[in-house]
Amino acid sequence: NAGVTQTPKFQVLKTGQSMTLQCAQDMNHNSMYWYRQDPGMGLRLIYYSASEGTTDKGEVPNGYNVSRLNKREFSLRLESAAPSQTSVYFCASGQGLRANYGYTFGSGTRLTVV
Amino acid sequence: DAKTTQPNSMESNEEEPVHLPCNHSTISGTDYIHWYRQLPSQGPEYVIHGLTSNVNNRMASLAIAEDRKSSTLILHRATLRDAAVYYCILSISGAGSYQLTFGKGTKLSVIP
Repeated sequence: NAGVTQTPKFQVLKTGQSMTLQCAQDMNHNSMYWYRQDPGMGLRLIYYSASEGTTDKGEVPNGYNVSRLNKREFSLRLESAAPSQTSVYFCASGQGLRANYGYTFGSGTRLTVV
Repeated sequence: DAKTTQPNSMESNEEEPVHLPCNHSTISGTDYIHWYRQLPSQGPEYVIHGLTSNVNNRMASLAIAEDRKSSTLILHRATLRDAAVYYCILSISGAGSYQLTFGKGTKLSVIP
């Protein structure tokens, strides 16, 4: 199993450009999440999708939009990139707390906005 | 969300047990305790989680205090691969979706 796959792995954008980060999971998980991690910091939740067809804001949603395309895929869009959005972005998927495992994270997308 | 407090860093010798502490004095009765770790340049990795009873899995053990105000992640035999940042996180219980808020964690160094 591939687990959680994120594309691209690296990206450099100019200020004002737009892009979409892709995330796909093959574990049939209901919930999916987008986090960002700035240098030396913990992860901060941007948006999440508790189930197919629903999305909710996390701690730092400003400047981002998301789409839960189907059960497998959850994309994150930057409409007009800003230098403050330079970060590593992680996608994760998971089931409920009664499962005997937690979130599975992707390997991340390193985004630089110049 | 209830907060957790962890030491910024810890060191351990290779092949010795490691006890990583976490304080969560404001935990509510329905908060689960989660542990994740993050190796350098990788995404976080699930380690273990529990509600009230101690938990064991192939990676580690989770010891939860009787009053639930603190917990300890136990790595039974540290290896160099266990050098990582370890996050202790609380979440609201529920059968469905839950959200995790990551703090700065404890950076564990393993000395050969």
